[in-house]
Amino acid sequence: GENVEQHPSTLSVQEGDSAVIKCTYSDSASNYFPWYKQELGKGPQLIIDIRSNVGEKKDQRIAVTLNKTAKHFSLHITETQPEDSAVYFCAAPISSGSAMQLTFGSGTQLTVLP
Amino acid sequence: DAGVIQSPRHEVTEMGQEVTLRCKPISGHDYLFWYRQTMMRGLELLIYFNNNVPIDDSGMPEDRFSAKMPNASFSTLKIQPSEPRDSAVYFCASSLANGVGYTFGSGTRLTVV
Repeated sequence: GENVEQHPSTLSVQEGDSAVIKCTYSDSASNYFPWYKQELGKGPQLIIDIRSNVGEKKDQRIAVTLNKTAKHFSLHITETQPEDSAVYFCAAPISSGSAMQLTFGSGTQLTVLP
Repeated sequence: DAGVIQSPRHEVTEMGQEVTLRCKPISGHDYLFWYRQTMMRGLELLIYFNNNVPIDDSGMPEDRFSAKMPNASFSTLKIQPSEPRDSAVYFCASSLANGVGYTFGSGTRLTVV
């Protein structure tokens, strides 16, 4: 099955700086890579995703890059703001029949310091 | 749409008692997933359903755990008897095929004392 490793486990940045979180995956057949943001007391919320036919995707201050050869993908947050503070999870699909089962990374606690 | 709805938000129960967690998926979603989240183990997939049928329950920790989906708009996760090590946040998620619209509920925080 899929193994997803996520680094770092904690990350502190100054407001306005950039934050980068990296994940590696093991299954070369994986073709969908979502990122989730989990705020305290809430469920994970999808913030951006990328499919394997593109190398980069941007949505305002958030971007995700994918390197299929190296089997890693990264989340980039620019001009960080205090409300970006949360736990971020990457995920990759487990190879199976028709369902999109996701294996999650261990999470990164991002703290944006004012 | 109101999203994935879980109840209760918090549950505190004594060891040995039966606990039932409830989930209402997003209307039209074919897949429903139950996850458990702990500090030690992160997010773990317990079981998932496709069109109300359980497909993979290999993540269910032991026989004390059971899940049902009697119809397209309702699922339950039951723990009987509950133990302190079951304390965690349990999430339900639903999606269309190929992961489209994969959405989590707000979770149920279970504390077994």
